[in-house]
Amino acid sequence: AQSVAQPEDQVNVAEGNPLTVKCTYSVSGNPYLFWYVQYPNRGLQFLLKYITGDNLVKGSYGFEAEFNKSQTSFHLKKPSALVSDSALYFCAVSDPYNFNKFYFGSGTKLNVKP
Amino acid sequence: DGGITQSPKYLFRKEGQNVTLSCEQNLNHDAMYWYRQDPGQGLRLIYYSQIVNDFQKGDIAEGYSVSREKKESFPLTVTSAQKNPTAFYLCASSLGDRGENTEAFFGQGTRLTVV
Repeated sequence: AQSVAQPEDQVNVAEGNPLTVKCTYSVSGNPYLFWYVQYPNRGLQFLLKYITGDNLVKGSYGFEAEFNKSQTSFHLKKPSALVSDSALYFCAVSDPYNFNKFYFGSGTKLNVKP
Repeated sequence: DGGITQSPKYLFRKEGQNVTLSCEQNLNHDAMYWYRQDPGQGLRLIYYSQIVNDFQKGDIAEGYSVSREKKESFPLTVTSAQKNPTAFYLCASSLGDRGENTEAFFGQGTRLTVV
């Protein structure tokens, strides 16, 4: 079965420090990988995706993510966190045999303190 | 202004009632989805549709029904058979192919509360 794990319910970081939000997946084949952000009582906003090619992908708002096939990970990173980055972050994968099916992690709450 | 519109934003349901959540998109996307979000559980797929007049059950379809009569619209009915319907419901759409633009776009959600 396809699955996505976000091992940390919450990540705390000081403003200006680098941040990492972890994601690992268990999917057969070569899935597409995504990161989304959700602000309170809002829908999810797309941040970035990995399809193929360079393992480091850049996305919106200065975020980037590194795909590691051997570790089946797709960690979200940002060199310098902002207070406004505080939100709920979701990792997702698409089923390589049905790209219309997405599997989401349980979410990681990012708290950036001034 | 392209996007996905969910309505209403807040919905209250009495015990035993059916309610319908609206989802409309003007992105010309083939695929549409309904997810349920509960605290600490992430998003769980209720139903998805890859094309008009076709839809498939997701992981938690019991107590829900959908229709896809038009490409733009994918309404979700929460029936009285759904024993714990209080949740945040999210509708999404995507192009529905294996190309580069494969990500899903989400509406702003409907918060359903049973009273």
